[in-house]
Amino acid sequence: DTAVSQTPKYLVTQMGNDKSIKCEQNLGHDTMYWYKQDSKKFLKIMFSYNNKELIINETVPNRFSPKSPDKAHLNLHINSLELGDSAVYFCASSQTGGNTEAFFGQGTRLTVV
Amino acid sequence: AQRVTQPEKLLSVFKGAPVELKCNYSYSGSPELFWYVQYSRQRLQLLLRHISRESIKGFTADLNKGETSFHLKKPFAQEEDSAMYYCALSNTGGFKTIFGAGTRLFVKA
Repeated sequence: DTAVSQTPKYLVTQMGNDKSIKCEQNLGHDTMYWYKQDSKKFLKIMFSYNNKELIINETVPNRFSPKSPDKAHLNLHINSLELGDSAVYFCASSQTGGNTEAFFGQGTRLTVV
Repeated sequence: AQRVTQPEKLLSVFKGAPVELKCNYSYSGSPELFWYVQYSRQRLQLLLRHISRESIKGFTADLNKGETSFHLKKPFAQEEDSAMYYCALSNTGGFKTIFGAGTRLFVKA
């Protein structure tokens, strides 16, 4: 059983398109995140949701709109894709309170051409 | 401000040599600190956390609040330790986990 799963694994699209990445966790966690890993492997937090509420938005362009329909899902929609959006996007989840270990999805490699 | 600094982008050692991956942090409260590892073509996974004070795969890390450091150490590196290592800090409550830039460890035969 995959704890945190993202789809798709690879996404190649043209500039200007709109695309979505889906994330689901079956760990019963109350917090979910999106991270962006650039070509230099730097991992930067984008969003954090707790119980479906946006907690953290790290100055991400408003072309990026996360949506959390329930605690187990956090989807990322990106409008008007740009070349600079090419990266690996990781979804993660954790539980607030005691053990805050983050569990990661396998990543979505987005390539904008 | 919450910040994690890993000064080395690449660390290359010979098999059997000691290894130390440096991590310094900035946080005003009581942070939770972690080391995560990403092996080739695998997802990021937890290696160890400071509160458990355990040794995983021979790695240990001690939280030094005076120096605000959480360096990762292993006395004898193995080839299978080659991976990307990230130091991470979680704020009180756990709503925000931020990562350092990562250090690529390469263990040569």
